[in-house]
Amino acid sequence: SQQGEEDPQALSIQEGENATMNCSYKTSINNLQWYRQNSGRGLVHLILIRSNEREKHSGRLRVTLDTSKKSSSLLITASRAADTASYFCATNSGAGSYQLTFGKGTKLSVIP
Amino acid sequence: DVKVTQSSRYLVKRTGEKVFLECVQDMDHENMFWYRQDPGLGLRLIYFSYDVKMKEKGDIPEGYSVSREKKERFSLILESASTNQTSMYLCASSFNLAREIRGNTIYFGEGSWLTVV
Repeated sequence: SQQGEEDPQALSIQEGENATMNCSYKTSINNLQWYRQNSGRGLVHLILIRSNEREKHSGRLRVTLDTSKKSSSLLITASRAADTASYFCATNSGAGSYQLTFGKGTKLSVIP
Repeated sequence: DVKVTQSSRYLVKRTGEKVFLECVQDMDHENMFWYRQDPGLGLRLIYFSYDVKMKEKGDIPEGYSVSREKKERFSLILESASTNQTSMYLCASSFNLAREIRGNTIYFGEGSWLTVV
């Protein structure tokens, strides 16, 4: 069952601009993760934020989490053409849960 | 680096054929997963396994079975392939939650594109 829903479905920006993608989810979570997928390839883990954290940084990535609104955002600063990919949020809910539930993704296009 | 290897990148099979998709991971992960990914539907979990010979159904197990005889290997089986199983199949693995102190990060293979004609 789908837990996370990314917004927007597609985003097109110029190189150098910032890109913001949002994720909403329905049930309480242990952590939320963001993954990236280049066209036709597997997914690659970007960053994890736990339910007791509000913000996390990794290089040009900034993730926020608002558990009261059941939402998260991924910000990519100073975007590059190489950032063109689909981005997925995934949630883990329930102690001992092995599963991650993925959203449908945001397709980001960065125009050189 | 973690490596999840899917044996076939592209396959074309006929309706009714039995299809095996193989996946091997080299990080001693307890958990292994099979997802399928379709446009507009995102990733959907087919089956997962948390130990050798153990398996649990995901969201869309119908028409599929799995086998995990060794810890490093997880096979997805289409007993009688149908055209609606044309898709990209992604294998993934992760540590058991209790061991993965950073959270249950999942590591994916490169995907297998299956076309059933």
